[in-house]
Amino acid sequence: GDSVTQMEGPVTLSEEAFLTINCTYTATGYPSLFWYVQYPGEGLQLLLKATKADDKGSNKGFEATYRKETTSFHLEKGSVQVSDSAVYFCALRGSGNTGKLIFGQGTTLQVKP
Amino acid sequence: GAGVSQSPSNKVTEKGKDVELRCDPISGHTALYWYRQRLGQGLEFLIYFQGNSAPDKSGLPSDRFSAERTGESVSTLTIQRTQQEDSAVYLCASSPNTVEPQHFGDGTRLSIL
Repeated sequence: GDSVTQMEGPVTLSEEAFLTINCTYTATGYPSLFWYVQYPGEGLQLLLKATKADDKGSNKGFEATYRKETTSFHLEKGSVQVSDSAVYFCALRGSGNTGKLIFGQGTTLQVKP
Repeated sequence: GAGVSQSPSNKVTEKGKDVELRCDPISGHTALYWYRQRLGQGLEFLIYFQGNSAPDKSGLPSDRFSAERTGESVSTLTIQRTQQEDSAVYLCASSPNTVEPQHFGDGTRLSIL
C-alpha cells in the first residue's frame, strides 16, 4: 500500500541555518504531495503542496519539489527562524477517490537563537 | 470564518468505558475525515465521510470503533469498551471535496487510565 517515510528527528539548528527534511514515498499512480506543520499548542496546518511531477510548492520561505524519479518531496528552507520550531509532516493523497491522506511519522524541528 | 471544531479537547476515562468524540466541520464541506495520532507518530486514517455516508471505513482498528455523520454536518466517533492502546489524539478534518486540501481541527486528546 501507499506509504510515506520521513527522516527521523529531532532536528536542531541554529537560527539562519539551512534546513532540509527528507521525505520519500511509495504509491501507485500519481499521488499529490503535501507538507503539514504543527506549531506548539496549535492544530495541523497545510504548509505547501504539489500535485504533479516537477511541481514546486512554496510558502513562508519553505519549498519542496515533487521528484517522481526519486519518489521524493524534501522540504527546504534557506534560513530558519526560531518561530519555525514545530513538527513537520509529509503526506500523500493517493490516486483513489476518497482523498484520504497517508502521513509520515513527523519530524520535530527545534531552532535555537 | 469558523474552522473545524472538535469536542471535548481533552478526555480522560477509565478502561472499559465508552467515549464519544464530536466534530463540527466547516460549513459546506461535504468530505469529512477522522485520523488518529499516537504519541510520537504520524496520523493514521480512520474513516472518510462523503455527505452522510462512509464509503471508506478501512482504517477503523476494530469493531469497537464506529462513526456516524448526520445532516451532512456533525460527526461523532464512538469507541466502545476503551482500551489503553486507544490513548491518542483524534483529529477530524474537512474539505469541500476530495481534491481540495483538508482543514484540521485541534483534536481530542484521549487518555485511557
